[in-house]
Amino acid sequence: GAGVSQTPSNKVTEKGKYVELRCDPISGHTALYWYRQSLGQGPEFLIYFQGTGAADDSGLPNDRFFAVRPEGSVSTLKIQRTERGDSAVYLCASSPQGGNYGYTFGSGTRLTVV
Amino acid sequence: AQTVTQSQPEMSVQEAETVTLSCTYDTSESNYYLFWYKQPPSRQMILVIRQEAYKQQNATENRFSVNFQKAAKSFSLKISDSQLGDTAMYFCAFMGGYNNQGGKLIFGQGTELSVKP
Repeated sequence: GAGVSQTPSNKVTEKGKYVELRCDPISGHTALYWYRQSLGQGPEFLIYFQGTGAADDSGLPNDRFFAVRPEGSVSTLKIQRTERGDSAVYLCASSPQGGNYGYTFGSGTRLTVV
Repeated sequence: AQTVTQSQPEMSVQEAETVTLSCTYDTSESNYYLFWYKQPPSRQMILVIRQEAYKQQNATENRFSVNFQKAAKSFSLKISDSQLGDTAMYFCAFMGGYNNQGGKLIFGQGTELSVKP
């Protein structure tokens, strides 16, 4: 695609529910990143994929968070037993390789846990 | 651990004037990359400018330029001839070099820039 697409744009869920956030990277980009941005803060790294594998998942806050990229293109960030503290904008980005020329970001998914 | 600090939460500038946004960082690496990203209300982060630490020459992209002071670990962004469309949050970001597998970005807290007509 022309850009990085994230769906849904906004998601409201009840505390304790399960949610999935989808990211469609730019076609041909092998590197894919997830970041979380809390209100008034800069984005914080969650996980990085190179192809199908998670090369670095050191930013995932706990075992309720999980992400997959089974075919090396679309990625899904999964959050189990959501908590109010999970409310944030979840940003996805992709790059051709290692990202040192900068990424292309999507517009994010705003997750609100009520 | 690397850190990035933006000490100006908010700034404003008159249209057509020049403004400078500050950023400092901390790292023990000698080779790394620095970025400025712009985030308008649409939420999409847009790359403004990039600097490679091993290059002494300051990067320039049209009205945007940086003042990279490696010894001082300072990386400020200068916006010349400010336009209303420059109104946005601006984030400074650090990416490690050889040892940073995959290009993880570390962001500062952001500076909210308002350009006034």
